[in-house]
Amino acid sequence: QKEVEQNSGPLSVPEGAIASLNCTYSDRGSQSFFWYRQYSGKSPELIMSIYSNGDKEDGRFTAQLNKASQYVSLLIRDSQPSDSATYLCAVTLNNAGNMLTFGGGTRLMVKP
Amino acid sequence: DVKVTQSSRYLVKRTGEKVFLECVQDMDHENMFWYRQDPGLGLRLIYFSYDVKMKEKGDIPEGYSVSREKKERFSLILESASTNQTSMYLCASSGPGRGAFFGQGTRLTVV
Repeated sequence: QKEVEQNSGPLSVPEGAIASLNCTYSDRGSQSFFWYRQYSGKSPELIMSIYSNGDKEDGRFTAQLNKASQYVSLLIRDSQPSDSATYLCAVTLNNAGNMLTFGGGTRLMVKP
Repeated sequence: DVKVTQSSRYLVKRTGEKVFLECVQDMDHENMFWYRQDPGLGLRLIYFSYDVKMKEKGDIPEGYSVSREKKERFSLILESASTNQTSMYLCASSGPGRGAFFGQGTRLTVV
């Protein structure tokens, strides 16, 4: 079992809809959780960080963390074609200090 | 803004060559990382450094070594390049417990 898992997609949503991206992790002691956006041919870009249970909102993005279920999600409201990218979940595992482990990413396609 | 700079955007090297990939960050971050990214395999950690001269192996360290003599600089070394090391190499840096910021990437082709 991978330490950080994501559905590879593609996840296709119409413009203006809510896109919901999910990630599960295996290490119950994980401390820090991040979402990255990666456009084709570009480097990953950090878009959200979350450290405690609950929701964290930043503009059209909301990150949700449920440590009991070992689950972190990213909601994108009012999805735009420019949101079409691969979204990577990353976790700092409890037994590895500050080492970041990434999921395989979910490809999101927002159709006009 | 955090800036992480990788020395080359594209590199072509011959099998058996020793290859150096350089990375510099300007945010005084303790942590620096080298990943490689291949289609269908995602981001895989090669090495991680949490302080000068300190390093930890990641998931795929075989065939690679690293050097961190100064806090801002983290080098990845391919001791004897092979064709299966053709990949996109990404350097990143972070503060304690914080998200990492990536360089622009180096696309290495070994022929």
